[in-house]
Amino acid sequence: GDSVTQMEGPVTLSEEAFLTINCTYTATGYPSLFWYVQYPGEGLQLLLKATKADDKGSNKGFEATYRKETTSFHLEKGSVQVSDSAVYFCALSDSDYKLSFGAGTTVTVRA
Amino acid sequence: KAGVTQTPRYLIKTRGQQVTLSCSPISGHRSVSWYQQTPGQGLQFLFEYFSETQRNKGNFPGRFSGRQFSNSRSEMNVSTLELGDSALYLCASSLAGQYEETQYFGPGTRLLVL
Repeated sequence: GDSVTQMEGPVTLSEEAFLTINCTYTATGYPSLFWYVQYPGEGLQLLLKATKADDKGSNKGFEATYRKETTSFHLEKGSVQVSDSAVYFCALSDSDYKLSFGAGTTVTVRA
Repeated sequence: KAGVTQTPRYLIKTRGQQVTLSCSPISGHRSVSWYQQTPGQGLQFLFEYFSETQRNKGNFPGRFSGRQFSNSRSEMNVSTLELGDSALYLCASSLAGQYEETQYFGPGTRLLVL
């Protein structure tokens, strides 16, 4: 079945540092890929998505490129802020009407 | 547009009781999905409804059930609660439930089973 593997956390960074969270997937079809973010006590918010190979999703300085050849969708941000502290989830959606999530990566940014 | 709303936000129950959680999707959205989030198992898919029909169900026991009404609002029910059912239950909606669509999540209902 479909599955998502993402980098284990927690990740602790200083403000203005570069952030990368690795995500790889296994799917039988041609899934859509998503990054969601969860702040403490809240639900999930879509950060960005890509629906086909070589698409790049971007939002709020975050970027991820759908790489079919390496089955990856790594999340990057060039300069993180304290407000980026959250849990980040990589997810995929295939033709079966559900999202499959990675385990989540907790990111803490120190001032 | 109002987002996905879930009620109640917090709930405390005892083992053996049953509980019903409610979800109102974004206006115009016809697909509603439910997920369970726990520290140990992460985010797991429960079920998805579209136009009052369940199209997919996750690997959960029959104690977990759901339904969707004609106005797209959805409820999920858990009977004979167990301690392990303590979790954050998240509802998500999308326009038509197609795999490339974004699912928009509500704030969740936090259930504690004592």
